[in-house]
Amino acid sequence: RKEVEQDPGPFNVPEGATVAFNCTYSNSASQSFFWYRQDCRKEPKLLMSVYSSGNEDGRFTAQLNRASQYISLLIRDSKLSDSATYLCALQGGGNKLTFGTGTQLKVEL
Amino acid sequence: DVKVTQSSRYLVKRTGEKVFLECVQDMDHENMFWYRQDPGLGLRLIYFSYDVKMKEKGDIPEGYSVSREKKERFSLILESASTNQTSMYLCASSLGAQDTQYFGPGTRLTVL
Repeated sequence: RKEVEQDPGPFNVPEGATVAFNCTYSNSASQSFFWYRQDCRKEPKLLMSVYSSGNEDGRFTAQLNRASQYISLLIRDSKLSDSATYLCALQGGGNKLTFGTGTQLKVEL
Repeated sequence: DVKVTQSSRYLVKRTGEKVFLECVQDMDHENMFWYRQDPGLGLRLIYFSYDVKMKEKGDIPEGYSVSREKKERFSLILESASTNQTSMYLCASSLGAQDTQYFGPGTRLTVL
């Protein structure tokens, strides 16, 4: 099993839709979790950290399910500008961050 | 705002050339990282450094070396570039081991 797995997509959704992505991980000792957004030919940028109790930032909600070993990202009221690739990342032991390969989202009119 | 800069956005080199990629961060971060990103493979860690003159191998260090002589600067060296090193190279930095990593804009390297 890969350390971090994401459905590559693409997820094609209409503007205004709600969409959710999951990211599963294999290391039960993972401590820190993040969602990054990467636009085409650009660097990844932090979207939000994922806290144990779940957290929300505007239209974005991140959740952690330790029992099933996955994190999720929910986007409500999708905008055209949300079109991007969403990478999950988690910190295992030490200083290393392990990234998923990303899920591509396309929001359409 | 954290700023991570990389020396070149695009670079074209020939097989066998020595290549230097430089990364500078201005936030006094302890940790710096070099990744490469390829379609379908995602981000893969090449090397990282948690202090000046300290380095550790990542998942794919073969064919690469690094140098960290100053806290703000982390260099990636390809001793003898090969075509399979054509890729997007991304540098990142973070304050602590468990903290968010901030990325530079990337260098798209083509080895002919």
